[in-house]
Amino acid sequence: KAGVTQTPRYLIKTRGQQVTLSCSPISGHRSVSWYQQTPGQGLQFLFEYFSETQRNKGNFPGRFSGRQFSNSRSEMNVSTLELGDSALYLCASSFSFPYEQYFGPGTRLTVT
Amino acid sequence: AQSVTQLGSHVSVSEGALVLLRCNYSSSVPPYLFWYVQYPNQGLQLLLKYTTGATLVKGINGFEAEFKKSETSFHLTKPSAHMSDAAEYFCAVSGEWGSQGNLIFGKGTKLSVKP
Repeated sequence: KAGVTQTPRYLIKTRGQQVTLSCSPISGHRSVSWYQQTPGQGLQFLFEYFSETQRNKGNFPGRFSGRQFSNSRSEMNVSTLELGDSALYLCASSFSFPYEQYFGPGTRLTVT
Repeated sequence: AQSVTQLGSHVSVSEGALVLLRCNYSSSVPPYLFWYVQYPNQGLQLLLKYTTGATLVKGINGFEAEFKKSETSFHLTKPSAHMSDAAEYFCAVSGEWGSQGNLIFGKGTKLSVKP
């Protein structure tokens, strides 16, 4: 089975712009979670989608949003980028409880 | 609310020595616990998980972890370190019922292996 894929792998944006990141889960997985990883804050949960519905949301501002499509692929969007949004964004998919999650390679976002 | 504490942000061992990475958790419900490894410029790879049943859990690459409820610990061990084990290791606990899709991670422990 193919693993979780994320595109693009690297991205450079300017403050104030917006960005969309994409994640394709492992075939058959219906849950997709997104995490932000930074040296200072570590791994922080952004949100989780299951069957096209946002099931959980972390403590991030409304500039961070996401969605999931009927084929379980997911996108996350960050609007009005700030320097502090520079991070590795990780997507993870899972099939069933108790939710061991399988991670993609991440998208490295740099905001200048 | 759940939380995870990893003792020691950096651990250095010699090749062939015992690896011990410490993890303590806090959970108001029976926890589901995980260890992940991250190599530079890569995502996280699942090493092992504890759900229910046997408290000693074996994972990939010779790693194992023991769930100790009385100590709220889930330490990761490997009898003999290899150079290829050098990476960052994260302990995580699954969220409470209704938020299991949310893994709560520790801050990570960077493992160095000296030749």
